[in-house]
Amino acid sequence: IVLTQSPATLSLSPGERATLSCRASQSIGSYLAWYQQKPGQAPRLLIYDASNRATGVPARFSGTGSGTDFTLTISSLEPEDFAVYYCQQRTNLFTFGPGTKVDIK
Amino acid sequence: QVQLQESGPGLVEPSQTLSLTCTVSGGSVSSRGNYWNWIRQYPGKGLEWIGYIYYTGGTYYNPSLKSRPTILLDTSKNQFLLKLTSVTAADTAVYYCAKDLDGANNYFAQWGQGTLVTVSS
Repeated sequence: IVLTQSPATLSLSPGERATLSCRASQSIGSYLAWYQQKPGQAPRLLIYDASNRATGVPARFSGTGSGTDFTLTISSLEPEDFAVYYCQQRTNLFTFGPGTKVDIK
Repeated sequence: QVQLQESGPGLVEPSQTLSLTCTVSGGSVSSRGNYWNWIRQYPGKGLEWIGYIYYTGGTYYNPSLKSRPTILLDTSKNQFLLKLTSVTAADTAVYYCAKDLDGANNYFAQWGQGTLVTVSS
């Protein structure tokens, strides 16, 4: 299963809303996760099963979607949210999308 | 909170075997229901899942790696190991060990810091 993420880069200002997309090449139900990665760090699990926040993840992060189309929304960007975001599916093997970089405008 | 730490050589020669160890603290590799994973990240930033070992010792590997990886448990040292045979420059990457999310297997909840392995002569 191939995951496609868009856009590749999202340039926004702190306080703005970020909307990231992940599309699967075939239906994966709700078996999708989102990760955040900052330079020099390992990825951090944010969302699993499309919409469940992992422990300690702020409420400004939310995930929606099912089937082939998924969205990660950051309601109001904080300075620490500028990073690369990856989606990952677990329906057929475990594959990651290519990432969306959220950078400061 | 479980913590993981990778260790191993940073440089491996082409055609040799890459060997890495993940040391687990704050939990046991024998804990019921847990999957222990190896994941790598290429210099271009793409992520690839390599395989996992279940707490029972059962394994599952990414078919794209064509029988090259082996993952082992060492319960006496609370570690799990990755061996990847016949490496080439294409295996140059940061290698992460990771534990799955309790209650929602095969999402990666805890990660090591990663170790860069370069394949070069």
